[in-house]
Amino acid sequence: DAGITQSPRHKVTETGTPVTLRCHQTENHRYMYWYRQDPGHGLRLIHYSYGVKDTDKGEVSDGYSVSRSKTEDFLLTLESATSSQTSVYFCAISGGNGYTFGSGTRLTVV
Amino acid sequence: GQNIDQPTEMTATEGAIVQINCTYQTSGFNGLFWYQQHAGEAPTFLSYNVLDGLEEKGRFSSFLSRSKGYSYLLLKELQMKDSASYLCAVRDRTGSGAGSYQLTFGKGTKLSVIP
Repeated sequence: DAGITQSPRHKVTETGTPVTLRCHQTENHRYMYWYRQDPGHGLRLIHYSYGVKDTDKGEVSDGYSVSRSKTEDFLLTLESATSSQTSVYFCAISGGNGYTFGSGTRLTVV
Repeated sequence: GQNIDQPTEMTATEGAIVQINCTYQTSGFNGLFWYQQHAGEAPTFLSYNVLDGLEEKGRFSSFLSRSKGYSYLLLKELQMKDSASYLCAVRDRTGSGAGSYQLTFGKGTKLSVIP
């Protein structure tokens, strides 16, 4: 969807390094979410934001932090990447009754 | 928290009808969503129910019973392109912040449509 973009699309990083994923929206939506998707687990909520500088933890927040300094950007940081954080990460935005997902970031931690 | 259950896999024949069930347990219910996800792609929105009853949209329909914590997605006139995972998701108001909502997903049902 043109209203939400994620970067990078693919990344390979080493264990112990910090990694930041970016989600950018042009829809001016208040709510933004970060999910990870793994086989056998489905989509699991990491963190979400309900406004600038307003964030809350989801189901699997350990090892992750987020920041939202502007309405349009929601950043997800892996403070010290581990192999268990190898996953596909999706950002989503919410407006009205719909949720729209970005194309995803495939992260591999080696 | 939420507990959302749906079958892991289903197989159906092209042209047939298939029903994918979803049961959930949650507090602060604020709507149920169905998403379709093809392999290697992002989930895309199919339907939304917040009140009891059936919502129809072309070949797809979704039903909700809030008292039973139950929903189903009905796919008619199946086509090969309907082979995908179907995700049930429940929105509720459980966050600590004012007006914060969470959307929690089931593990998804992988549907295979065979000729």
